[in-house]
Amino acid sequence: DQQVKQNSPSLSVQEGRISILNCDYTNSMFDYFLWYKKYPAEGPTFLISISSIKDKNEDGRFTVFLNKSAKHLSLHIVPSQPGDSAVYFCAASLDTGRRALTFGSGTRLQVQP
Amino acid sequence: EPEVTQTPSHQVTQMGQEVILRCVPISNHLYFYWYRQILGQKVEFLVSFYNNEISEKSEIFDDQFSVERPDGSNFTLKIRSTKLEDSAMYFCASSDRGSNQPQHFGDGTRLSIL
Repeated sequence: DQQVKQNSPSLSVQEGRISILNCDYTNSMFDYFLWYKKYPAEGPTFLISISSIKDKNEDGRFTVFLNKSAKHLSLHIVPSQPGDSAVYFCAASLDTGRRALTFGSGTRLQVQP
Repeated sequence: EPEVTQTPSHQVTQMGQEVILRCVPISNHLYFYWYRQILGQKVEFLVSFYNNEISEKSEIFDDQFSVERPDGSNFTLKIRSTKLEDSAMYFCASSDRGSNQPQHFGDGTRLSIL
């Protein structure tokens, strides 16, 4: 199942700089997109989401951008902090989120002090 | 902050045995889900539950699996006769009423089948 793809398995950035995590999807029927952060031995923690009727959603240091024509979304973290080091998953859903989430394979972000 | 609670954190079971994984969703949430993650693989959807019935299930969720909400707070996943390939992290999630509500996940149960 490759409906949601995160092509970068890892990313390393310096503290204070911007982290940009990318995600592509193939199913044009997805209408709700989410980003989760996951630490080892914990469950995915919800970070931020975006509906398909928007192209940007911002929450503090986190901004998600959605490009529907390219079927691409990205998560920007500014400024990056060492505590942001984790695995980040994008996920997509039909029916405004009440349906199954389809997850990407994750990107491991390391923020260097 | 309210959270989804799962027990046990680790379950070791002999192949062929029944296992029940337990979850307490966030109290005012109405939609409940089970996902699993086999080591090194993606998080996969198993089943969703709303209004005391299954609303959606994946191909993985075959007759060996069942879910139940036995009371007002618990949500369980039962695997009737476990197989080696059922070894995985199992995550419970819940979401609130309304559209565009995120699913909130518990910390998972690591199921090891011997």
